Amino acid sequence: GDKVKQSPSALSLQEGTNSALRCNFSIAATTVQWFLQNPRGSLINLFYLVPGTKENGRLKSTFNSKESYSTLHIRDAQLEDSGTYFCAAEAGMLSGSFNKLTFGAGTRLAVCP
Amino acid sequence: EAAVTQSPRNKVAVTGGKVTLSCNQTNNHNNMYWYRQDTGHGLRLIHYSYGAGSTEKGDIPDGYKASRPSQENFSLILELATPSQTSVYFCASGDASQGISNERLFFGHGTKLSVL
Repeated sequence: GDKVKQSPSALSLQEGTNSALRCNFSIAATTVQWFLQNPRGSLINLFYLVPGTKENGRLKSTFNSKESYSTLHIRDAQLEDSGTYFCAAEAGMLSGSFNKLTFGAGTRLAVCP
Repeated sequence: EAAVTQSPRNKVAVTGGKVTLSCNQTNNHNNMYWYRQDTGHGLRLIHYSYGAGSTEKGDIPDGYKASRPSQENFSLILELATPSQTSVYFCASGDASQGISNERLFFGHGTKLSVL
């Protein structure tokens, strides 16, 4: 099954509205990263999270490790927010070892005028 | 902002041919990664590296080799390309300033590879 499951898989928003994207983990995630893949294909790092909340402009992300989920809130959506949002989780804290990121399949967001 | 540059941006190869995808990062990051992106799968890790001279297998290494000749450069090599390797390939480097197990990734723009 999916170790990192994102929902919804696709979303359409009116400009100026708010929404939330979610990631559920079936692995013991210790850190989470959120990325935006813009329509040109570039992957932009939005957030790096340990358990807790971070905010950057109209974006806010929360990572709850105990309940194994992370959310990305978009406030006052703009046309340039369109793209595919990926979350990725790192599991475990093995001393001296490399912990790989596991990506979700993404949420395709379209912001409409 | 970290700079990761991939080349070429687009590549068409023939089945059985050799393909080399190149990646360069100018931020002195120790860790570098190659992912492929396919519809419905998100990004999957092919190979990664801890530093110059190191290459490690990721989740889907079959059919791929990697080379890290220097801190800045990490190549992905397809010795005998197959149509199933048609994909978009992303290179990334890791800022491990918080420790090797806590790093933020920065991606290149991707290479679109078509194997005919």
